[in-house]
Amino acid sequence: AQSVTQLDSQVPVFEEAPVELRCNYSSSVSVYLFWYVQYPNQGLQLLLKYLSGSTLVESINGFEAEFNKSQTSFHLRKPSVHISDTAEYFCAVSSPSGNTGKLIFGQGTTLQVKP
Amino acid sequence: GAGVSQSPSNKVTEKGKDVELRCDPISGHTALYWYRQSLGQGLEFLIYFQGNSAPDKSGLPSDRFSAERTGGSVSTLTIQRTQQEDSAVYLCASSLEMSYEQYFGPGTRLTVT
Repeated sequence: AQSVTQLDSQVPVFEEAPVELRCNYSSSVSVYLFWYVQYPNQGLQLLLKYLSGSTLVESINGFEAEFNKSQTSFHLRKPSVHISDTAEYFCAVSSPSGNTGKLIFGQGTTLQVKP
Repeated sequence: GAGVSQSPSNKVTEKGKDVELRCDPISGHTALYWYRQSLGQGLEFLIYFQGNSAPDKSGLPSDRFSAERTGGSVSTLTIQRTQQEDSAVYLCASSLEMSYEQYFGPGTRLTVT
């Protein structure tokens, strides 16, 4: 069985400061990894994904995440956050060896960016 | 193009009543997923449809929950004899076959009183 742990339920940070949202996963098979973002009163949006290839993946709005197989982690980072980054962030895993592509989500991390 | 749509956006029902939630996936997406988002349980997978294959129902929490997908497009999630613990936001997502990139709808917020 697969599981995802997001180590911080809330992360308060000041605008323009760097941030790291932590995600660890457990799986006995190979995995695909995702970060989704949910802005207030909106649906889930895919932020970035790791399927294969380079272990460092980037989003169009400055976020990046690095797949670390030995540490079973996929932490999300941004060097300088904006007020508009305030949202809930979900780490998720699926298995390429499965036949559904269903996502297993972590509990979410609320990023609170303060002016 | 149009994204995933869900209706209704909000539904309030009395305990014991049946409810139906609807999902219209993105045109051309053959895979469709239902998830549930609740305060206590977070985001949980419920059911998956792919083309004409048998659905993966492994996430349905009880036999009061069922879903169907007609014509490979629209899907309906039905909850019979609703209970207060069914209160949650029900999310639908679709994707191209095995693309592993799921697009989510805005959800239906279900409140059971």
